[in-house]
Amino acid sequence: EAGVTQFPSHSVIEKGQTVTLRCDPISGHDNLYWYRRVMGKEIKFLLHFVKESKQDESGMPNNRFLAERTGGTYSTLKVQPAELEDSGVYFCASSQGLETSPLHFGNGTRLTVT
Amino acid sequence: GDSVTQMEGPVTLSEEAFLTINCTYTATGYPSLFWYVQYPGEGLQLLLKATKADDKGSNKGFEATYRKETTSFHLEKGSVQVSDSAVYFCALSVYSGGYQKVTFGTGTKLQVIP
Repeated sequence: EAGVTQFPSHSVIEKGQTVTLRCDPISGHDNLYWYRRVMGKEIKFLLHFVKESKQDESGMPNNRFLAERTGGTYSTLKVQPAELEDSGVYFCASSQGLETSPLHFGNGTRLTVT
Repeated sequence: GDSVTQMEGPVTLSEEAFLTINCTYTATGYPSLFWYVQYPGEGLQLLLKATKADDKGSNKGFEATYRKETTSFHLEKGSVQVSDSAVYFCALSVYSGGYQKVTFGTGTKLQVIP
């Protein structure tokens, strides 16, 4: 089966610009998560979709971040306008959502805001 | 809230040395525990998991035992190889409100030298 894929793998933008990250989960996985790792710190939860609905967005840092999951398939995470502190690696993961289900991760998008 | 604490890295070992990476957790529920590994340039991969007390997860020579009494899930390997160089993340998963929530530690970078 195809794994979780993320685009782009790297993005370098200037402060104030907009960037959109995309995630394609494993087919059939209703649960999709976004995480972020900043400067070697822990992987922090951003939000969780079940199908097209936002189940939990408590980790979204502020209203400059907007996530969508059209039709319950792929998801996008838009940062507008980007700030320096948004730099980091953004991971997407999907799972079957059972209690013991592992998360399947994409390779991440490394975002650098200059 | 739920949290995971890992020993800080980086950890540098010679090939064939014994590895221990400590992980302790706090959780409101009864979590499942995971170790994920991130090799250079790749995404996170599930290394092993344990779903109940006294379970031992194992894979690729790595082991970790779910210790409820000490709330720990330490990762061990008897003889490390250069190819084990990576970042290791301890994580817990709690099923709450009908969905799975995963919390990660900060990650421990392991470097194995020949």
